[in-house]
Amino acid sequence: GDSVTQMEGPVTLSEEAFLTINCTYTATGYPSLFWYVQYPGEGLQLLLKATKADDKGSNKGFEATYRKETTSFHLEKGSVQVSDSAVYFCALSKTGGFKTIFGAGTRLFVKA
Amino acid sequence: EAGVAQSPRYKIIEKRQSVAFWCNPISGHATLYWYQQILGQGPKLLIQFQNNGVVDDSQLPKDRFSAERLKGVDSTLKIQPAKLEDSAVYLCASSRPTGTSRAKNIQYFGAGTRLSVL
Repeated sequence: GDSVTQMEGPVTLSEEAFLTINCTYTATGYPSLFWYVQYPGEGLQLLLKATKADDKGSNKGFEATYRKETTSFHLEKGSVQVSDSAVYFCALSKTGGFKTIFGAGTRLFVKA
Repeated sequence: EAGVAQSPRYKIIEKRQSVAFWCNPISGHATLYWYQQILGQGPKLLIQFQNNGVVDDSQLPKDRFSAERLKGVDSTLKIQPAKLEDSAVYLCASSRPTGTSRAKNIQYFGAGTRLSVL
């Protein structure tokens, strides 16, 4: 069945460091791919999305590129801030069915 | 635009008791989802409604969990009787399945209800 695999956390970085959180997926067809972020005590918020191969989603300095050849959607940010500390979830969704499958999440800690 | 509202934020019960959670989606969102998020894991879909009809409840433990969305707007999720392993955050989300297919899959989440079963 369809699935999403993320790198295990926690990831601990110093402020202004470069961030990569790996995400790979298994799915038939052409899913849409998402990154959601969950700040402490809050629900998930959509961070960025990509709906077809080679699309790049971006928001708040974060980027991810839909790579169909490697079935990946890695999240990157050039310079993290303390306020980026959160749990990041990679997810996929099949168009037409609306069902979204989430990865296990990767916790990011950014130190000042 | 108001977000997805959930209540209560926290609930502590003893095993074998019953509990109910409430969700009010974003106005105009026809699709409503209930997820269970166990500590350290990603959200797992329990049930999905399209208006007041069930689209997917394949992962809902129907012997103890039930959910309804009678008027196609707000929804309740009930657990009866609760087990220790039901301790989790229960998230409600909604989406607007109109317009382009790309817009259909973006879900908006409430803050969740944290349930502790002792």
